[in-house]
Parts: sequence; C-alpha cells; structure tokens
Amino acid sequence: KQEVTQIPAALSVPEGENLVLNCSFTDSAIYNLQWFRQDPGKGLTSLLLIQSSQREQTSGRLNASLDKSSGRSTLYIAASQPGDSATYLCAVYPIKAAGNKLTFGGGTRVLVKP
Amino acid sequence: DGGITQSPKYLFRKEGQNVTLSCEQNLNHDAMYWYRQDPGQGLRLIYYSQIVNDFQKGDIAEGYSVSREKKESFPLTVTSAQKNPTAFYLCASSEQGPHEQYFGPGTRLTVT
Repeated sequence: KQEVTQIPAALSVPEGENLVLNCSFTDSAIYNLQWFRQDPGKGLTSLLLIQSSQREQTSGRLNASLDKSSGRSTLYIAASQPGDSATYLCAVYPIKAAGNKLTFGGGTRVLVKP
Repeated sequence: DGGITQSPKYLFRKEGQNVTLSCEQNLNHDAMYWYRQDPGQGLRLIYYSQIVNDFQKGDIAEGYSVSREKKESFPLTVTSAQKNPTAFYLCASSEQGPHEQYFGPGTRLTVT
C-alpha cells in the first residue's frame, strides 16, 4: 500500500529565506505527483504537477523535483514571503490503485515571519 | 468563471439527521471526488465517480452515499450511520485518468 510522508509537519522561516519542503512515498510506481497549497479553512490549490517521466517542474518562484527511484519529491520556494504561509500537501497517483485515487501526505504547515 | 463550488460553507446538524453537501463544477470534467479532512490527518477519499451514473467507494465510504445524475453535480449525503461526521469535506474534479485534480472551497460540517 502506497504511503506518503511529509517531514517536518511544521516549519518557520524568516522572510526572504528559501523554503525546502520534502515529500517521500513508498512505492515508485506512480503516474505523477501533485503539490497543493491550503490556506486555513479553505480548499486546496494546485501548485505543480510532475509527471513520472519528468525530473522537475517550475512555476514562478516554485520549483518541484521528483526522484522516483528514491521515492522523493522536493518543493522549493525561493525568497519566501509572508503570503507563502500556508499548509503544503503532496499527493501521488499510484499506478496500482483502482480509479484516480490520489494518496496524500499529512502536509507541512509553513509560517514565514516578516 | 470556471471552477468548483461547494455549498454551504458551514453546516450544523443534530445527531441522527441526514445532511446533503452540494458540489458543482463547470470545468466539463468527467471525474469527481469527495474527500474528508480531519485535524492532524491527511485527506481521505470517501467516494469517486469517473462518469455520469457511475461511482465507486473510496477508503472510508461507510455512512456516506452519493449520486451522479448529471456531469456537473456530485452531491454527498452524510447519513446518521456515520459515527464521526464532524469534519471538513472537500470536493474535487478532474479529467478521466491520472490528471490534475481541482478542489472546491470545502464545507465544514459540525454535528452535535
């Protein structure tokens, strides 16, 4: 059974510092991996989706890498801002699961201090 | 404006009552999903539907029911059989297959 882990569960950084968020998964047989942002009491906003054949994906200050063989993905946020404070979740599409069953990590809660 | 809407944003019910949460999308997606989110836990899949008039149980379907009579709508009923219904409920949609999922704003259900 696929398991997704995000460590640490919470992270606090001063404004301007680069953020590094980790996601690990136990089964490398995935179609893709998706990173989301969630603000308190809100739904999830999709940030980046990396296909299993890709090594990284970039959008503005965000860069996500994928190392399928080691079961890891990292989300980098450059020059963090207080507006980046949120919970970040990663999720994988396992190939073996029936239907489009995303498996989610528990999330990393980020606080960027001004 | 394309997207997913969920209503209401907050819902309060007495124990023993059934309640229906609404989810509508205008993205022309075939697939729709319902997730439950509890504090300190990741999202868990309740039900999903890959096409109209068809749906499958997810990991925690007990005490829930759904219907998919229209492509754009996927309502979730939380029945009195659900032991711990208080939670944040999220609806999502995507194209068929392992494609990017898009989420609605969520409904917070409180049952007392």
